[in-house]
Amino acid sequence: KAGVTQTPRYLIKTRGQQVTLSCSPISGHRSVSWYQQTPGQGLQFLFEYFSETQRNKGNFPGRFSGRQFSNSRSEMNVSTLELGDSALYLCASSLVGSGTGANEQYFGPGTRLTVT
Amino acid sequence: DAKTTQPPSMDCAEGRAANLPCNHSTISGNEYVYWYRQIHSQGPQYIIHGLKNNETNEMASLIITEDRKSSTLILPHATLRDTAVYYCIVRVAGGANSKLTFGKGITLSVRP
Repeated sequence: KAGVTQTPRYLIKTRGQQVTLSCSPISGHRSVSWYQQTPGQGLQFLFEYFSETQRNKGNFPGRFSGRQFSNSRSEMNVSTLELGDSALYLCASSLVGSGTGANEQYFGPGTRLTVT
Repeated sequence: DAKTTQPPSMDCAEGRAANLPCNHSTISGNEYVYWYRQIHSQGPQYIIHGLKNNETNEMASLIITEDRKSSTLILPHATLRDTAVYYCIVRVAGGANSKLTFGKGITLSVRP
């Protein structure tokens, strides 16, 4: 089974621009979560989408947004880029539905965004 | 989610077992213990999880103390490729709570 894929893998943008990152989850997985990783703050949760609805949100400004499509693929968008947005953006998918049960998340390789 | 405490680093010799400790003294009855690892600049990799019983898979074993306040991840025969940052995470599973809260993790260095 193919793993989580993210495109593009590397991206260079200028301050003030916007960027869209894409994530394709493992086949059959309905939940997609996004994380930001920086050397200073480590891995931080951005948001989670399940069945095309944002179900969970981290503590990030409104410039960070996302969406999920009916095939579970997800995109995240960052508008008005700042230098501090330079980071590794990671997407993770899981099989989780409603109800209980451990649901491990499987991560993609990430998109390395550099803002200049 | 309960907080976890891990030592910042440890090392072990190749071929030996690596025992990575984690404290989670405030864990609740419905919280699972998860372990992930991240090899430099790659996405985190799921290793194993458990609730209260010890668990084993092809990658590792997870030993959870009877009071559930601590756990140990065991890599039975460490190789150089196991050099990574290992994260111990505690969270309620299922439903609408899918967020993983990563701490600083423990950096494992496997030496030849």
